[in-house]
Amino acid sequence: EVQLQESGPGLVKPSQSLSLTCSVTGYSITSNYWGWIRKFPGNKMEWMGYISYSGSTSYNPSLKSRISITRDTSKNQFFLQLNSVTTEDTATYYCAYSYAHRFDYWGQGVMVTVSS
Amino acid sequence: DVVMTQTPVSLSVSLGGQVSISCRSSQSLVHNNGNTYLSWYLQKPGQSPQLLIYKVSNRFSGISDRFSGSGSGTDFTLKISRVEPDDLGVYYCGQGTQYPLTFGSGTKLEIK
Repeated sequence: EVQLQESGPGLVKPSQSLSLTCSVTGYSITSNYWGWIRKFPGNKMEWMGYISYSGSTSYNPSLKSRISITRDTSKNQFFLQLNSVTTEDTATYYCAYSYAHRFDYWGQGVMVTVSS
Repeated sequence: DVVMTQTPVSLSVSLGGQVSISCRSSQSLVHNNGNTYLSWYLQKPGQSPQLLIYKVSNRFSGISDRFSGSGSGTDFTLKISRVEPDDLGVYYCGQGTQYPLTFGSGTKLEIK
């Protein structure tokens, strides 16, 4: 079974960059799609973007100028970087395995607070 | 972006009862390839979301047949029958037809 685990700092200062790692076991990230989704306080969920089996990426236009998703296939990990964060980026961040336009497996999530 | 509107925001049901959750999209979710990529997810308290239903009516691996999905075009429904205590949480619909992918705002299910 696919297992995903997010890691990264839980507190980021405004204007800095948020960097998270998703470590995957049980499946190679060189297959299918691997995404980042965040859930804001109050239940709203936002798809942030994905990196594909080939390394191509797709981002939510609302984030396009600030987001980057990369990967390290040797470690079976993929990464999220979100630049110039504000308090509005405070959320729980999830990485997920995506197959056929759906999210089959999710990590446990990491809560990130943007605050000085 | 495709806006997903879920109703109700919350509902309370007795154990053993049945509930329905509605999800409407601002545009048709029929993909160019003929598939309709509408999924349902459940986030139980303290857990990450889990996939229940994909492509409108297909149950994901290990999901009880008490969960059923239906609908077409822009109008979709999730039904939960014989509600159990483990069903409580927040239910989301999500569309995978058009980028950016979008989710409904969630329906919180409480057990009476």
